[in-house]
Amino acid sequence: AQTVTQSQPEMSVQEAETVTLSCTYDTSENNYYLFWYKQPPSRQMILVIRQEAYKQQNATENRFSVNFQKAAKSFSLKISDSQLGDTAMYFCAFTTYGGATNKLIFGTGTLLAVQP
Amino acid sequence: DSGVTQTPKHLITATGQRVTLRCSPRSGDLSVYWYQQSLDQGLQFLIQYYNGEERAKGNILERFSAQQFPDLHSELNLSSLELGDSALYFCASSYGLAGIETQYFGPGTRLLVL
Repeated sequence: AQTVTQSQPEMSVQEAETVTLSCTYDTSENNYYLFWYKQPPSRQMILVIRQEAYKQQNATENRFSVNFQKAAKSFSLKISDSQLGDTAMYFCAFTTYGGATNKLIFGTGTLLAVQP
Repeated sequence: DSGVTQTPKHLITATGQRVTLRCSPRSGDLSVYWYQQSLDQGLQFLIQYYNGEERAKGNILERFSAQQFPDLHSELNLSSLELGDSALYFCASSYGLAGIETQYFGPGTRLLVL
């Protein structure tokens, strides 16, 4: 079975501080991509960052970076210099490719609250 | 704005009824996905269409069906509605089938079954 586990249902961080959200996944496939999506109170799903599993280099997007540990099947998200606008539900997801579908498989989410 | 549109934004209906949710993908995108977000099941993949053809099915109930039309818009039909069908239904689109392609999500349709 293909699964994503986010073990932190809720987290809180002070503005300007750094926070790390955890994610582990399980798949027997070799070809896959990993994603972090953000869902603010508006409920819109917004892509934060993505990682190609075949790349060893960790992806970065401005204040967002990942720590991808392929052997451990771990994909954590680090948010630096947290801002109030980062308050949202964060979902870790992955998709395999080369098969019939590239559907996304999501974790249960981590609700992040950035405190002023 | 992702470029994916969904209508209606909100829908309130009664048990046993039938509703249709509509999705227009981003210009040029051929693949459409439907996802359901509920409190007890989280975000789940329902079904995918690519260029008019069904590509994959997930945990989609037999009471639910979908199609993608020649102009690439898609509709999700939910029938014999039950209270448990209350959820946020997302449509997403991408150009093709490569896993790295970003799936752009619409704003969702919030369905409440009373």
